[in-house]
Amino acid sequence: NAGVTQTPKFQVLKTGQSMTLQCAQDMNHEYMSWYRQDPGMGLRLIHYSVGAGITDQGEVPNGYNVSRSTTEDFPLRLLSAAPSQTSVYFCASNPGSGNTIYFGEGSWLTVV
Amino acid sequence: KNEVEQSPQNLTAQEGEFITINCSYSVGISALHWLQQHPGGGIVSLFMLSSGKKKHGRLIATINIQEKHSSLHITASHPRDSAVYICAVSTSGSARQLTFGSGTQLTVLP
Repeated sequence: NAGVTQTPKFQVLKTGQSMTLQCAQDMNHEYMSWYRQDPGMGLRLIHYSVGAGITDQGEVPNGYNVSRSTTEDFPLRLLSAAPSQTSVYFCASNPGSGNTIYFGEGSWLTVV
Repeated sequence: KNEVEQSPQNLTAQEGEFITINCSYSVGISALHWLQQHPGGGIVSLFMLSSGKKKHGRLIATINIQEKHSSLHITASHPRDSAVYICAVSTSGSARQLTFGSGTQLTVLP
């Protein structure tokens, strides 16, 4: 049971480049989410999905795009990378309200 | 003001000491989560609770809904407990979205 798998673990981008962070879970969870973690701040919600075909914005959605074509996968796309998007990104999943949340290992992104 | 406040921000203890980390929140919640994050590593869920107290090994989590406060206790602390401990709440309006505290960095010295 792999849980939540994120790739890549490390990435360096140039300003203006685009990329996709991949997230997959094998627990058949309906709810998946993307967070970013910056020094001195709590994790902040970027986008989330409550099931295949359904996505919504979180607290800091600007500059990011998501889709949920299957229950398993929830990729996060950076459309035109900016230095302000340098951060650690975490994907998470849980089966629903009142349940334990599972996190991926994190993706360290640097935009130069 | 953050909806979720943790204290202390940093904590250094000697091996064997009893440790308490506090979390206060200002909104109605459906559940509170305690998470652990090791350096360079991922985030692991320790507890999820909506009332009372839970215990797992040397870790104990309590919550007082009326006072909007939770504590995470570590008994007989060990250097391997060194990590960032994060409090997060599921708000009543959207039980599956979490609001996070900024974390408590715990260092346990041998």
